[in-house]
Amino acid sequence: AQTVTQSQPEMSVQEAETVTLSCTYDTSESDYYLFWYKQPPSRQMILVIRQEAYKQQNATENRFSVNFQKAAKSFSLKISDSQLGDAAMYFCAYRGPTVLGGGADGLTFGKGTHLIIQP
Amino acid sequence: KAGVTQTPRYLIKTRGQQVTLSCSPISGHRSVSWYQQTPGQGLQFLFEYFSETQRNKGNFPGRFSGRQFSNSRSEMNVSTLELGDSALYLCASSLGASNTGELFFGEGSRLTVL
Repeated sequence: AQTVTQSQPEMSVQEAETVTLSCTYDTSESDYYLFWYKQPPSRQMILVIRQEAYKQQNATENRFSVNFQKAAKSFSLKISDSQLGDAAMYFCAYRGPTVLGGGADGLTFGKGTHLIIQP
Repeated sequence: KAGVTQTPRYLIKTRGQQVTLSCSPISGHRSVSWYQQTPGQGLQFLFEYFSETQRNKGNFPGRFSGRQFSNSRSEMNVSTLELGDSALYLCASSLGASNTGELFFGEGSRLTVL
């Protein structure tokens, strides 16, 4: 079974600084997708960034970027120029390949990292 | 464009009762999946539906069931409620059945079992 591990239950960063959230995962698949989701206190989870395992280039979305190390099964999220609105729970998630005749398993989530932004 | 709508937002039940939660996906989205979120276990996949067919199911007992209607709306049902079923139940929709699709989550239904 796939597992996703986020080793930092909580991180704190000063506004405008850069912070990196770590995530490691375990899978025997070669084709899969990795995601970072953000869950603000209002509880609605939103996608921050997505990475296809077959792409070597790290995904980037504005201030958010990932460091994807496939061999090490590591998928960290870097947030540059942190803003107060970035404060939230951040979840790393994995989704495996679609099985012929069926669907892919649902997302496997890590336990999350609570990100605090200090003004 | 309206987001994913879940009803009810909050509910309280007692052990042994059953509950039905509803999810209306974003217009045009045909895939709906459900997740349970608890402080102890985190986020766990319950099941996923596409075009009224269950495509996959997580590791939950048979007391947890769901269905999807022709308009893509989905319901999940939990029978014979246990204290451990207290959780935030999240519904997510996506455009198609692909595993690459972005999931759009609702705000959740918070169930408390007494």
